[in-house]
Amino acid sequence: EAGVTQFPSHSVIEKGQTVTLRCDPISGHDNLYWYRRVMGKEIKFLLHFVKESKQDESGMPNNRFLAERTGGTYSTLKVQPAELEDSGVYFCASSQGNQPQHFGDGTRLSIL
Amino acid sequence: QKEVEQNSGPLSVPEGAIASLNCTYSDRGSQSFFWYRQYSGKSPELIMFIYSNGDKEDGRFTAQLNKASQYVSLLIRDSQPSDSATYLCAVEGNLIFGKGTKLSVKP
Repeated sequence: EAGVTQFPSHSVIEKGQTVTLRCDPISGHDNLYWYRRVMGKEIKFLLHFVKESKQDESGMPNNRFLAERTGGTYSTLKVQPAELEDSGVYFCASSQGNQPQHFGDGTRLSIL
Repeated sequence: QKEVEQNSGPLSVPEGAIASLNCTYSDRGSQSFFWYRQYSGKSPELIMFIYSNGDKEDGRFTAQLNKASQYVSLLIRDSQPSDSATYLCAVEGNLIFGKGTKLSVKP
C-alpha cells in the first residue's frame, strides 16, 4: 500500500511569489490533514478535510493560504503571496474514520 | 490554548537500556494520545496510540497513560542505535504536538 505522498519535497521561492503544495493521501482515506512546522517550533495543525469538505480550518494562519481537495482525493495548499515567515516544513496526513493518522515526508518550503 | 509539553533532550541511553520518554498535556478532556518517531528529514511514523488509562505494550514499546495526572509516557526496552530519532507526543484528532524529545542510543 502506497503511503501519503507529497510534492515537491523541497521548494525555494522568493517573497511575493506563489507556491502550490500537493498531497496524495493513502487510497481510501477520507480524512486529510495539513500541518506545518516552522523552525524551532512544534508541528501545528492547519486544517482538516473530510472527503472534499473542510471540516476544520481553524489553524490556517491567514487568507494567503488556500487549501482545496476537489473530488475528495488529492489536496493542494497554495500560498499566495509567500512571506518570509511561511518558511517551514509542511506535512500532510491521512486517516480512515477515527484511525490514527499517517504522515507524508513533508515539503520543505524556503522563502527568500 | 491546548498544549503538549515534552523535554527536548537530548536523552542519551546505552544500547540495551530502557529509554523513558515523557509528555504532559494541558486539556483534561483529551481522549486520544499518540507517539510518533521521526528520523531527520523523514515523516513522523506512528509508533503507539493509547486511549485508556494504564499500559499498552507492543513489542519493545510500552505506552503509559495517566489521565488524572495528565501525562503520557513511552518506554523503549532493549534500546537499539536504530531507535535514535526524535519522538513526538501528540494529542487528540486535529493533532496537538509537543516539540519532541531527541533520543540517542549509544552502542
